[in-house]
Amino acid sequence: SAVISQKPSRDICQRGTSLTIQCQVDSQVTMMFWYRQQPGQSLTLIATANQGSEATYESGFVIDKFPISRPNLTFSTLTVSNMSPEDSSIYLCSVDEAGVSKDYGYTFGSGTRLTVV
Amino acid sequence: GNSVTQMEGPVTLSEEAFLTINCTYTATGYPSLFWYVQYPGEGLQLLLKATKADDKGSNKGFEATYRKETTSFHLEKGSVQVSDSAVYFCASATGGGNKLTFGTGTQLKVEL
Repeated sequence: SAVISQKPSRDICQRGTSLTIQCQVDSQVTMMFWYRQQPGQSLTLIATANQGSEATYESGFVIDKFPISRPNLTFSTLTVSNMSPEDSSIYLCSVDEAGVSKDYGYTFGSGTRLTVV
Repeated sequence: GNSVTQMEGPVTLSEEAFLTINCTYTATGYPSLFWYVQYPGEGLQLLLKATKADDKGSNKGFEATYRKETTSFHLEKGSVQVSDSAVYFCASATGGGNKLTFGTGTQLKVEL
């Protein structure tokens, strides 16, 4: 299965600032996803990152707050903008390997633990 | 839309006890079903999966069978260990390239 490198693994940020999270995959994948896991909660999909087009955002998430880049088939970034303490969460990227292995496989990065103070 | 419902935790068991974590789903079409595990302080790891009815996914002593008639994918293990203590997430997806829909997660605590 694909290997995902996600960084930073954790960060403590001041409110009002922005943080960009990177997700690098060791193989080309069609679909990349960004999730948020708030403390003690399940995972919520933020957006689907499509190569060559704008990301598709889920209800409750907007591009101004969570801009996403997808410059190629192995890399994506998520920026958390103008942060507030409510943004403190684990952010995870995920890839769908179905296009590679013809099997349903979703692999996750190890996550970025963000604390906003 | 898709949804996944799993039993609330925490579930506390003694070592070597039998484990069942219930999961049911609603979906249009025929989803693939997954169990993910999240150990303390770590990201999600795929534990097992099943892509069609009656398939059984298995890994590390855990099993789950895709039951179309009851729309269920219950996770079982015959003898849990302390090292199995983690949060377990049931999830569904209706096709390659579609998003995963997660349940709320069930925390498992295994004690000596």
